[in-house]
Amino acid sequence: DAKTTQPPSMDCAEGRAANLPCNHSTISGNEYVYWYRQIHSQGPQYIIHGLKNNETNEMASLIITEDRKSSTLILPHATLRDTAVYYCIVSPRNSGNTPLVFGKGTRLSVIA
Amino acid sequence: GAVVSQHPSRVICKSGTSVKIECRSLDFQATTMFWYRQFPKKSLMLMATSNEGSKATYEQGVEKDKFLINHASLTLSTLTVTSAHPEDSSFYICSARVTGGPNEQFFGPGTRLTVL
Repeated sequence: DAKTTQPPSMDCAEGRAANLPCNHSTISGNEYVYWYRQIHSQGPQYIIHGLKNNETNEMASLIITEDRKSSTLILPHATLRDTAVYYCIVSPRNSGNTPLVFGKGTRLSVIA
Repeated sequence: GAVVSQHPSRVICKSGTSVKIECRSLDFQATTMFWYRQFPKKSLMLMATSNEGSKATYEQGVEKDKFLINHASLTLSTLTVTSAHPEDSSFYICSARVTGGPNEQFFGPGTRLTVL
């Protein structure tokens, strides 16, 4: 079972920041937080991951609370092409055969 | 880098036939690949873990004799849906993890199977 809880849907105006929350209160010390997104009828796309420090890349920023029980993915300037289902997943980083377990995710709709 | 391909992208078949789906890691070696299934408006459900040179590990409720998995090389895993029925119609997605690397997994574009 997924160890994360996300709101089922969110709307965001084009050009504004999209802040997607995720609760993972039972996260273990060796588990990372991964974010993926899935655009309709495509395979999931990796966005970012982190352990306890905030992370930023060309796609997004990841803010993890100090107690690591929740995190927020930030898309700084959302575009229509960012409309997708966003999945927050916790998993050990060097884990051999451990698969990623997907929850229900958040359906983000970016509105013009 | 880290590109995963699937073939075919879409297949329509008659009930009772078998369908093979290929998953390839194009620019890296993948000792482990994973197969997922996704029904409309649902999340991805893990079907099995495919390990190069050994038998796949299936999730509870997934019939190993119906969904045959072969991982014959470090860049190719195949999923064969045997004696397909309409209820097997789904979106099948594979992912691969870089051998010896961290757990970022890279996903294929998916295969849409429709069984008539």
